[in-house]
Amino acid sequence: NAGVMQNPRHLVRRRGQEARLRCSPMKGHSHVYWYRQLPEEGLKFMVYLQKENIIDESGMPKERFSAEFPKEGPSILRIQQVVRGDSAAYFCASSPTGTLGQPQHFGDGTRLSIL
Amino acid sequence: GESVGLHLPTLSVQEGDNSIINCAYSNSASDYFIWYKQESGKGPQFIIDIRSNMDKRQGQRVTVLLNKTVKHLSLQIAATQPGDSAVYFCAENQGGKLIFGQGTELSVKP
Repeated sequence: NAGVMQNPRHLVRRRGQEARLRCSPMKGHSHVYWYRQLPEEGLKFMVYLQKENIIDESGMPKERFSAEFPKEGPSILRIQQVVRGDSAAYFCASSPTGTLGQPQHFGDGTRLSIL
Repeated sequence: GESVGLHLPTLSVQEGDNSIINCAYSNSASDYFIWYKQESGKGPQFIIDIRSNMDKRQGQRVTVLLNKTVKHLSLQIAATQPGDSAVYFCAENQGGKLIFGQGTELSVKP
């Protein structure tokens, strides 16, 4: 089984541009989670989605950030008008359902660099 | 704020020795914990998990201990190998989202 797939692995954007990060969950997984990791730090939760629904977006900045997980296709994390502070590694994880006791499995992330 | 913390930022052990990585949590209602291993340039890799109705769980060369009285979690790695060198994170599941600690970097000396 293929694991969680994220692309691109590396993304460079200039200030003010848009960044789109994609995540395909593991086969059979319908729950997706996005996390952000700054250098030398742990991961910070951003948003939790199920197909076509946002379950919890408490960790996502109110402005410029949005996420979706459509019925067909990958989950997308979108950052509009990027700023230097958005530079980080963004990780996606998935689980079969949201049932407690099911570990989340992570992709290898997208490293976003803002010039 | 975060409810999970790690005691030491770095740990250096000799190859073949046992490693113990500690983690404290603050939410007494927490009932599911996971340990992840993260190598440079990669995503967190699931190692082992434990529910609060258990105090010990064993995997291959790894054991997780949970002490709910003092809200403490530990990961024990037996016969540590060079391939175990990585950053280890404990994480607490809160309603689906994971709350991660800062991580402990494990270095294995040959």
